[in-house]
Amino acid sequence: KNEVEQSPQNLTAQEGEFITINCSYSVGISALHWLQQHPGGGIVSLFMLSSGKKKHGRLIATINIQEKHSSLHITASHPRDSAVYICAVENTGNQFYFGTGTSLTVIP
Amino acid sequence: NAGVTQTPKFRILKIGQSMTLQCTQDMNHNYMYWYRQDPGMGLKLIYYSVGAGITDKGEVPNGYNVSRSTTEDFPLRLELAAPSQTSVYFCASSREWEQFFGPGTRLTVL
Repeated sequence: KNEVEQSPQNLTAQEGEFITINCSYSVGISALHWLQQHPGGGIVSLFMLSSGKKKHGRLIATINIQEKHSSLHITASHPRDSAVYICAVENTGNQFYFGTGTSLTVIP
Repeated sequence: NAGVTQTPKFRILKIGQSMTLQCTQDMNHNYMYWYRQDPGMGLKLIYYSVGAGITDKGEVPNGYNVSRSTTEDFPLRLELAAPSQTSVYFCASSREWEQFFGPGTRLTVL
């Protein structure tokens, strides 16, 4: 069983739609990270959360520590948001565990 | 700043050969990481370092070795390449929470 599970695996949306990607984890964590992997393979960090909610532009990330669950929301989605979104958890021992990613395609 | 650079971009190895994947960062970050990404699988941590002279194992260290003699460089060594090591390898460094990834090395072992 993976320590980190993401859903859905694949997601297609029309431009302008509100998008939600979910992440559940089964281990104790010190932080949860969301990353974006571009179609060309490059990876960038989006957020780190240890509680509550963070917002950056059209991206919002939330975490519920009690339920071991996080969501990444994209408002007013755009074709340039098309990418793989990856959830990762970090434990207190500097170990990282990654989900398999959610592949998002936004159609104009 | 070049950020995190990795060389080579692509490499084909024969079973049993050895090679070193190079990783350099120019941001003076203390933390550095090596990951592998297999098709359809999540990234997996191979080794990490919290500073020059200090390295530690990640989730999948078998078959690999690392060293960290300087803050800038964190090479990954494969001693006896095996087909199971066919993967894309990413190096990263971090400042506080944010990780900065290199472009990756695509390695095929035949």
